[in-house]
Amino acid sequence: GAGVSQSPRYKVAKRGQDVALRCDPISGHVSLFWYQQALGQGPEFLTYFQNEAQLDKSGLPSDRFFAERPEGSVSTLKIQRTQQEDSAVYLCASSLRGSLGYTFGSGTRLTVV
Amino acid sequence: DAKTTQPPSMDCAEGRAANLPCNHSTISGNEYVYWYRQIHSQGPQYIIHGLKNNETNEMASLIITEDRKSSTLILPHATLRDTAVYYCIVRDLADTDKLIFGTGTRLQVFP
Repeated sequence: GAGVSQSPRYKVAKRGQDVALRCDPISGHVSLFWYQQALGQGPEFLTYFQNEAQLDKSGLPSDRFFAERPEGSVSTLKIQRTQQEDSAVYLCASSLRGSLGYTFGSGTRLTVV
Repeated sequence: DAKTTQPPSMDCAEGRAANLPCNHSTISGNEYVYWYRQIHSQGPQYIIHGLKNNETNEMASLIITEDRKSSTLILPHATLRDTAVYYCIVRDLADTDKLIFGTGTRLQVFP
């Protein structure tokens, strides 16, 4: 497709449930980023992939958060044993080269009840 | 932490120029200034970036002061669709490419 696609658009999870969020980057984009955005705040960096290699995961808030990009294209962000504080919009972005602007998806809004 | 300071909100009349300021007093020589905006319920959208010189594209103009400690994003003729949160970001391309967002400026364009 022409843009970054994220699914699902909305997810409601019961506390303690595991969730998986998917990101389809623009075809051929080498770099892929995940961000978390709480209500009223700017996006906060979670993790970064270059092709299939996860080069930076310094922003992952706990070991309940796990991201993968096994074939260097589609990426999945998994959150285990969800907590209420995980409620946020999760944004994925991709870029062809680091010097150019990123393209963001519309995000997945996760609500943990 | 974000390396920029922006006013939390601004208003602008439709058709007028919107001038959004940003302070980045600790910017280093290798760091670029990037601007993104985020319209409600959408992901951030790239607007423009620059290093030293002023830049212009179809969306906006970026004015960077000579000492590079501040910049201004200019939307020459604001429309209602420009209502969004605008983020000013400094970024060193030698790093891992990640963008560090602050809280941005919420621009409200009114009729």
